This record gives sequence, C-alpha cells and structure tokens, in this order.
Amino acid sequence: DVKVTQSSRYLVKRTGEKVFLECVQDMDHENMFWYRQDPGLGLRLIYFSYDVKMKEKGDIPEGYSVSREKKERFSLILESASTNQTSMYLCASRGSPTHEQYFGPGTRLTVT
Amino acid sequence: AQTVTQSQPEMSVQEAETVTLSCTYDTSENNYYLFWYKQPPSRQMILVIRQEAYKQQNATENRFSVNFQKAAKSFSLKISDSQLGDTAMYFCAFMKQLLNDMRFGAGTRLTVKP
Repeated sequence: DVKVTQSSRYLVKRTGEKVFLECVQDMDHENMFWYRQDPGLGLRLIYFSYDVKMKEKGDIPEGYSVSREKKERFSLILESASTNQTSMYLCASRGSPTHEQYFGPGTRLTVT
Repeated sequence: AQTVTQSQPEMSVQEAETVTLSCTYDTSENNYYLFWYKQPPSRQMILVIRQEAYKQQNATENRFSVNFQKAAKSFSLKISDSQLGDTAMYFCAFMKQLLNDMRFGAGTRLTVKP
C-alpha cells in the first residue's frame, strides 16, 4: 500500500513564525503536491514538484515556498506565518503511469 | 484554466437508497482524466472512481458509477445502496493529459441517514 505521511496532524503557530510542514511518501513517486483545503473552496494547489529539486507554482503560491531535496520528501515552508494561512494542508503524491493521487492525512494549521 | 464546479454543497440520502452527486467542468482539451475522491470525517482522502475522457463507457466500481457526458462536460457520481460509511466529503477532480496538476471542485458533503 502506498503511504503518504505528514509530520503533524495539528499545529499551532504564532504570526510571523517560520513554519515547516513535512511530507514523506514511500512509493518512489515522481510527483508530489501541496494543497490547502478551505470550506467552500475545495482543494487549491500551492506548489508541486515532478522531480528532485524541481518545483512549480500552483494557483496560490504567495506566502509559501517548497523544498524537495530527496525524492520521497516534499516540504512546505511558510516563511512568516499569517492568520490567513490558517487552514488544512494536504500533501499528495502520484506516480505518472496511474495518475491516481495518494493523499496524506493532512495537517490542520492554526496561526494565532 | 480548467475549472471544476460542484453545485451541491450538501446532500443527504437514506440508507440503502441511491444518490447522485453533480460535477461540471470547463476545458478546451479533448483528452483528460476525471476523478471522484472521498474524504471521510477526519480521515484521509481516497480515490473512488476514475474516468478517461477517451473512453465512452462509463466507469463503475461496485456501488459507485459515473455518468460521463463529454459534450455537456458533466461527470456525475451515482452511489447505489448507500451505506452509513459513505458519509463523507466528495470531491470531483480534473486533470489534463500529460500535465501534472489536478484541479478540484469545492466538494459536496454527503450524509447518509439511518
């Protein structure tokens, strides 16, 4: 079974803090994704990566950056957390032939 | 840009009955993939069913089936013999062929009532 894990289920940070969200997948997938999920808006793509050290902006990259130093790990970074970044963050991975995306359990981030 | 619209924010159905969730999308592409994902309360999102646009036959997975109308750009999900475990958020998603990003609708919260 494919497994996508995220470093925290719940996280509380203060405004201005630097925040790291980690995602690890164990199926050697090339593609990894970060989404945020907000009520009424569905999932919105923040960044994705199709290979090590490669990254592409999604629809809402402002205020975020990412890092992919190893194939299995994709990190989302909030350089200076703000209250409007309070949300559920979902990581996903996908191997190209199947096109099915596998999701992590999500990290509910609260910025106060 | 592709958009995916789910016009039903919430729906409910009695156990053992059938329910249909709607999804429409907008694209100028001819080849693409469509998906329905399920997100149970406090649990991980999982794939329910997938449809390739070049296939005319509607996809089916046990109690789940789709009605894919390519000309109308419609992709509805039918759940037959609804079970309490079907209670979840359901997301419709679109992906262009050969491109990497998947676009999601806003979701439909389905409640199955005993």
